[in-house]
Amino acid sequence: QVQLVESGGGVVQPGGSLRLSCAASGFTFSSYGMHWVRQAPGKGLEWVAFIRYDGSNKYYADSVKGRFTISRDNSKNTLYLQMNSLRAEDTAVYYCAKDVEMATTFIDYWGQGTLVTVSS
Amino acid sequence: SYELTQPPSVSVSPGQTARITCSGDALPKKYAYWYQQKSGQAPVLVIYEDSKRPSGIPERFSGSSSGTMATLTISGAQVEDEADYYCYSTDSSGNHGVFGGGTKLTVL
Repeated sequence: QVQLVESGGGVVQPGGSLRLSCAASGFTFSSYGMHWVRQAPGKGLEWVAFIRYDGSNKYYADSVKGRFTISRDNSKNTLYLQMNSLRAEDTAVYYCAKDVEMATTFIDYWGQGTLVTVSS
Repeated sequence: SYELTQPPSVSVSPGQTARITCSGDALPKKYAYWYQQKSGQAPVLVIYEDSKRPSGIPERFSGSSSGTMATLTISGAQVEDEADYYCYSTDSSGNHGVFGGGTKLTVL
């Protein structure tokens, strides 16, 4: 079955950087688009970024554009999110999520999430 | 930026029908997906492509869409259906995902 396991969360100071990883299994990773979605404490879900199955196109929410970079390594079945210039408002649980196809922008499976806390 | 609008809360008694709406200008041309999120857990897909139900999701969950509004219906809601429900779609470009603000369903 589909498994998505996020890692790399933690506490970071404002202005700092962090890289999240998502290890995928149970499906042909290289054939599906992938997403990052976040949820601030006590708040709703926010779509963050999407990458096509082959990494050819990447899309971002306005709130993270220019600061976050989504990438993937299909040889390692792993998705990444490089987060730079972090702000307090980036504090959230970050979920890795699988697209329903190569690049529909719709999500069918989710990981369990990793918590990122931006605080001094 | 594109927005999807949901009511903050819906409350029903066990066995009643719960309806959660989601409105958005692009919904006539874009699918709506619905996710259930129970406290402390990751979201789970309950309806895709407006009205289709994934395997393992109870038949009491159904979806529909008409014009700029999509609706999630839970027929005969049960206590275990208490959760936050989120609609999801894409903007008109199809390249950016958008979530509704979420609806807290209370069944008691």
